[in-house]
Amino acid sequence: DAGVTQSPTHLIKTRGQHVTLRCSPISGHKSVSWYQQVLGQGPQFIFQYYEKEERGRGNFPDRFSARQFPNYSSELNVNALLLGDSALYLCASSRGHLLPEAFFGQGTRLTVV
Amino acid sequence: GESVGLHLPTLSVQEGDNSIINCAYSNSASDYFIWYKQESGKGPQFIIDIRSNMDKRQGQRVTVLLNKTVKHLSLQIAATQPGDSAVYFCAENLSGYSTLTFGKGTMLLVSP
Repeated sequence: DAGVTQSPTHLIKTRGQHVTLRCSPISGHKSVSWYQQVLGQGPQFIFQYYEKEERGRGNFPDRFSARQFPNYSSELNVNALLLGDSALYLCASSRGHLLPEAFFGQGTRLTVV
Repeated sequence: GESVGLHLPTLSVQEGDNSIINCAYSNSASDYFIWYKQESGKGPQFIIDIRSNMDKRQGQRVTVLLNKTVKHLSLQIAATQPGDSAVYFCAENLSGYSTLTFGKGTMLLVSP
């Protein structure tokens, strides 16, 4: 059974550009959460989606947005990229929105230059 | 500031030793905790979890201890192997919320 898959694995963007990151959860999992992990720190919560609705949002600016599709896959969008957005973006899936057991993908390494 | 933290940023052990990684949390309302292992270039890997109605839980070569009185969590790894070398994070969850709050992590280095 496939785990959480994310694409792309690596990405280089220029300041001011827009980026879309993608995630497919574990089969049977309906909740997807996004986390940002800056080098040397623990992951920081960005969003959670369940049944295509936003169920939680962390302390991130409006430049960050996300959505979930009927097949439970998800996209994270970041507009007007800043150098400080360089990080590993992690997607985690869980069975339900109040079930905290989360399983992570390998992440997308975003570098903003 | 963060509500979950670790006492030791780096822990170096010899192969075969037992390792103990510690974590302090500040929110007494947290009722679920997870330990993750993160190898270089990879996402966090679920190791073991524990709920606040328990004080100990064992897995394969790992044990998590929870002391709610002092708000302390530990991960014990028996017979540590070089493949255990990684950064270990504890994460906490508040009942009714879906988010995990992570600490900064402890790097475990295992020498052959």
